[in-house]
Amino acid sequence: ELKVEQNPLFLSMQEGKNYTIYCNYSTTSDRLYWYRQDPGKSLESLFVLLSNGAVKQEGRLMASLDTKARLSTLHITAAVHDLSATYFCAGSGGGADGLTFGKGTHLIIQP
Amino acid sequence: IAGITQAPTSQILAAGRRMTLRCTQDMRHNAMYWYRQDLGLGLRLIHYSNTAGTTGKGEVPDGYSVSRANTDDFPLTLASAVPSQTSVYFCASSATRSGGELFFGEGSRLTVL
Repeated sequence: ELKVEQNPLFLSMQEGKNYTIYCNYSTTSDRLYWYRQDPGKSLESLFVLLSNGAVKQEGRLMASLDTKARLSTLHITAAVHDLSATYFCAGSGGGADGLTFGKGTHLIIQP
Repeated sequence: IAGITQAPTSQILAAGRRMTLRCTQDMRHNAMYWYRQDLGLGLRLIHYSNTAGTTGKGEVPDGYSVSRANTDDFPLTLASAVPSQTSVYFCASSATRSGGELFFGEGSRLTVL
């Protein structure tokens, strides 16, 4: 059974700072996703990571995958207020259909 | 392009009542899913369907049923709602059964009193 754990679950940071959200998963995952959710809204796909060492970047967000450590990271560079949201990582596999989600990281970026 | 349409967007329901949340997709995706989202618990899979005519149970299926009569529609029914079913429900679809990217609807906020 695939389990996905994120940390931290809550993060308040200042604009301009860098920070990393961590996503650990318990068994082999075929691929790893990062999603963004704004308050009261749906989930939007940010990145899909398919193989060990994969790195994807979009603006101030960069995601990476280490399958040997069963770890994915979402790095935020020089944070801006618009990045305030809840970020979810999700993995596939472990005998489950669909994706298994972490509990989410609620990120607040303050001016 | 609508993608995934859910209805209703919000509903208040008395305990014991029957409720069906509707989900329609126009992407011709084979796989569809229902998740519930609760504060501090993330998203948990209720039921899924890998193709029309088949359904399966997810992590938290009790109290819910689904059907998949065709590719586009995947309704979720609460036969007799209870307060613990108060949640935000998301329907999602994927082009592939296993590990494919999920596309989500806008959600249905359900309150059971």
